[in-house]
Amino acid sequence: GAVVSQHPSWVICKSGTSVKIECRSLDFQATTMFWYRQFPKQSLMLMATSNEGSKATYEQGVEKDKFLINHASLTLSTLTVTSAHPEDSSFYICSAGLAGLYEQYFGPGTRLTVT
Amino acid sequence: DQQVKQNSPSLSVQEGRISILNCDYTNSMFDYFLWYKKYPAEGPTFLISISSIKDKNEDGRFTVFLNKSAKHLSLHIVPSQPGDSAVYFCAASDKGTYKYIFGTGTRLKVLA
Repeated sequence: GAVVSQHPSWVICKSGTSVKIECRSLDFQATTMFWYRQFPKQSLMLMATSNEGSKATYEQGVEKDKFLINHASLTLSTLTVTSAHPEDSSFYICSAGLAGLYEQYFGPGTRLTVT
Repeated sequence: DQQVKQNSPSLSVQEGRISILNCDYTNSMFDYFLWYKKYPAEGPTFLISISSIKDKNEDGRFTVFLNKSAKHLSLHIVPSQPGDSAVYFCAASDKGTYKYIFGTGTRLKVLA
């Protein structure tokens, strides 16, 4: 399957600061990228869907001003957690896919801890 | 509301035996289903998928069964191996959005 990377793999930041997480598709051009969040011992919850060159579509209950998603190229999407708070501490996972196809290729995830 | 549910949070199986993991869904628009294996602090690993036009798909030790009328799918792993111990998630998607809705997960423990 296709390879998707995330950077950083883990990050600790102070409350009130912003953190950027990168998601890259390494061997294919992803027209669509998805961002998920997983709290401990819970399911993966879809946060938003982003298509290259257009604004992200956020799921209900996800604050778009807090979780800024940029998908400027076919190989890179970024998630910026703005003014992070301890309750934003979670495991963030991205996936990449092609428009019109079901397959998504998942990254290894990023552990965010906000102190 | 939880559109995809896995009612068993955990399952223990003896090595060599069959593991059966179950998943129920409520949205009749779902037409593609997947199973993933996941370890803590890692991304999910794809196992097997099935389209709604089929009722069974097999890949090595993994078989997925789909019962559309009951809105139920199951993953069979046979024979189970200790390395299969992980959390298993089912996911459902539809042709309109191609988004994945994940189930709540089942922790499988295969005992040696």
